[in-house]
Parts: sequence; C-alpha cells; structure tokens
Amino acid sequence: GENVEQHPSTLSVQEGDSAVIKCTYSDSASNYFPWYKQELGKGPQLIIDIRSNVGEKKDQRIAVTLNKTAKHFSLHITETQPEDSAVYFCAARPDNYGQNFVFGPGTRLSVLP
Amino acid sequence: DGGITQSPKYLFRKEGQNVTLSCEQNLNHDAMYWYRQDPGQGLRLIYYSQIVNDFQKGDIAEGYSVSREKKESFPLTVTSAQKNPTAFYLCASSGTNGGEKLFFGSGTQLSVL
Repeated sequence: GENVEQHPSTLSVQEGDSAVIKCTYSDSASNYFPWYKQELGKGPQLIIDIRSNVGEKKDQRIAVTLNKTAKHFSLHITETQPEDSAVYFCAARPDNYGQNFVFGPGTRLSVLP
Repeated sequence: DGGITQSPKYLFRKEGQNVTLSCEQNLNHDAMYWYRQDPGQGLRLIYYSQIVNDFQKGDIAEGYSVSREKKESFPLTVTSAQKNPTAFYLCASSGTNGGEKLFFGSGTQLSVL
C-alpha cells in the first residue's frame, strides 16, 4: 500500500525566511496531494493541494511542487510569519483507495521572531 | 456557521469501560471519517462512511465501533477491547462526487484513568 514519508520532523526558521517541507510517496497511482496545517489543540485545515497532472501551484506565500517521476512533493512557505508556526501534514490519495488518504507523520514548524 | 462539531473536547476512560465520541456536521457531506493521532505520527484511519447506514473499516479498526444512522452524525465508540486508547481523535467529512477536501473537527483528547 501507499507509504508517505515527511522531512524534516521539526524545522525552525527566522521570521521572514523561507521554509521547505518535503514528502515522498511510494504508490505511483496516487493522484492528489493535499497539505494541512494544524495549530495546537485544533483539527487540521487544508492550506493547499495539487493534482498529479500539475507540477506547481501557488497561493500567495504558499506553494507546492510535485515531481511525479521522483515521487515527491514539497511545501514552500516564503516570508514566514510567527502565525505560520504549526504542525504541517502532507497526504497522498492512492487511486484505488476511494476517498481515503495516507498522511505523513508531520513537521513542526517554528518561526522565531 | 457550517462545520464539524466534536464533543467532548476531553474524555477520560476507566479500564473496562466503553466511551463514545460524538461527531456532528452540518455541511451536508456524504462522507465522514474517524482518524487517530498519536504524537509524532500521521493521522491513521479508523473507520469511514460514504453513505448513511454504511461504513467500512480503516487501517486500525480493532477495538472501535461506529454507526451512521443519520447523514450528519458519525459517533465513534472506543471499546474495552482497545488496549491503548490514549490519543487525539479527529472526525472529518468530505463531499462525494469529486469533493476531495477533508474538513476536520477540533478533536477529542481521550485519556485512560
């Protein structure tokens, strides 16, 4: 079945710097890759997603890139702000898994003022 | 406000006791899910339901049970057979017919006394 790895597990950056989180997946049939942000004591919220027929997607300070050949996708956050501090999860949806997702273990991002 | 409501926020279970976590949504979504979150791990799927009166086991269903008698409600029972129930439990929903985005509740922290 699908397996999603995520690196790094923790990441600290200075305010204003960029942050990059990378995920790899194993099932080449996976076709949808969302990223979720989880603040302390809350449920995850979708921040950006990308489909397998697209290489890059951008939404203001957040971008996601996908390399299908290498089976990895990355989250890029530019001009980081303290409110970006949270745990970020990537996920992959295998084509034969219905509406279900396989999640990475998460990255705890700390933006230092 | 449209969304997913989980209750209670905190729950304590005595040994040998069954406890039920509530999940209600007013998004008119067909599909609902229960995930378990342990520190340092990704979200793992317990059960999911794509339509009323139907549900399927996820990856870690042992020791749990669910029901889906109404479209808006998907309660999860943690039975005494679940030997390690301490975790953060998240309920989610999504629309069908291509509705890929998961909407999460704010979670229930279950601890064992």
